[in-house]
Amino acid sequence: QKEVEQDPGPLSVPEGAIVSLNCTYSNSAFQYFMWYRQYSRKGPELLMYTYSSGNKEDGRFTAQVDKSSKYISLFIRDSQPSDSATYLCAISLSHAGGTSYGKLTFGQGTILTVHP
Amino acid sequence: DAGVTQSPTHLIKTRGQHVTLRCSPISGHKSVSWYQQVLGQGPQFIFQYYEKEERGRGNFPDRFSARQFPNYSSELNVNALLLGDSALYLCASSPGGLGIYEQYFGPGTRLTVT
Repeated sequence: QKEVEQDPGPLSVPEGAIVSLNCTYSNSAFQYFMWYRQYSRKGPELLMYTYSSGNKEDGRFTAQVDKSSKYISLFIRDSQPSDSATYLCAISLSHAGGTSYGKLTFGQGTILTVHP
Repeated sequence: DAGVTQSPTHLIKTRGQHVTLRCSPISGHKSVSWYQQVLGQGPQFIFQYYEKEERGRGNFPDRFSARQFPNYSSELNVNALLLGDSALYLCASSPGGLGIYEQYFGPGTRLTVT
């Protein structure tokens, strides 16, 4: 079983739609949760960073963490063609020791296309 | 402020050769991590350096090594290149300490091994 599961899509939505992207994880010890956006042939861009259950909002983006279900989500409101990219969830242990120090574990990424 | 910079942008090498990739973190950041991303997959953790010491290591062979310099820049070295080493190599910068997981990525170096 992979530590982080993410539906690769692809996901295609019309402009203005609400997009829901999701990941599940297997280890309840994971404490930090991130969402990255990656445009084709570019490095990932940090969108959201949270370490607690509940919602965190930043503009059109809302990150949701449910630790009891080991489930994280990213919602994009009023989606735009410029949001077309691959979205990666990433998780990490809280102050992991040993060889896992500083390690982010990524999902496979979901390819999103927003068409005009 | 400049973000994370990486060099070179692209690189083509032959099997068995050696490669060195370079990374400069965001000003004020003391931690650098290296990841490998193959097409269609999420990045895989290779190394983490904080205050010039290796603090984390992923499941990669000993052909992979890295170091961090006094100015917090970093190099990733890969020896005896294999075709399977072809990937996008990403460097991530973070403040370190309590902010170790707030990682900002550079544009990557695309390595092709022929």
